[in-house]
Amino acid sequence: DAGVIQSPRHEVTEMGQEVTLRCKPISGHNSLFWYRQTMMRGLELLIYFNNNVPIDDSGMPEDRFSAKMPNASFSTLKIQPSEPRDSAVYFCAISRGRTNEKLFFGSGTQLSVL
Amino acid sequence: KQEVTQIPAALSVPEGENLVLNCSFTDSAIYNLQWFRQDPGKGLTSLLLIQSSQREQTSGRLNASLDKSSGRSTLYIAASQPGDSATYLCAVGVGDSWGKLQFGAGTQVVVTP
Repeated sequence: DAGVIQSPRHEVTEMGQEVTLRCKPISGHNSLFWYRQTMMRGLELLIYFNNNVPIDDSGMPEDRFSAKMPNASFSTLKIQPSEPRDSAVYFCAISRGRTNEKLFFGSGTQLSVL
Repeated sequence: KQEVTQIPAALSVPEGENLVLNCSFTDSAIYNLQWFRQDPGKGLTSLLLIQSSQREQTSGRLNASLDKSSGRSTLYIAASQPGDSATYLCAVGVGDSWGKLQFGAGTQVVVTP
């Protein structure tokens, strides 16, 4: 089974600081997705990669957000500078990339920007 | 733009009763529809995936139906148990990639012993 490890589980930072969220897929995937969950907007897709290549970043809210996937086993989502409205739970999800495959989600990173 | 709505927002039932959760979507051009479960402080777990050409999927006590023409899906959970308490989210695959999911806001379910 595919699995996803996200770190850190919780992050508290001050406005203006740089934040880096990490995602480590365990195995067996071709596609990786970054989602954000807030009470107001629910779950939103930020960006996704196929075979480590960014395919669609139209959900990235601003230039302050950037994501990378240097290899199949690692991805980062960076916010610089962070703002209080970025406070949310950020999820990484993976799939095998074939049509109609289920998505497997990590446990998420709870980000609080003060 | 695709919109996904889940009604009710919250539901409380006694143990043993069957659960019926509803999901509606505005655009029938979907790749698939997935039902997820989310426990507090946890990630999402995919329960069932229905391809756009299918009418239903079953797994154990769970059954999900899909009616694309009317833009509806229903998740049935038979003989509910306290362990079924969670938030259930519906999501449709949209756009140019099946993996882009548009989520509903979820239905929070409480099963009382």
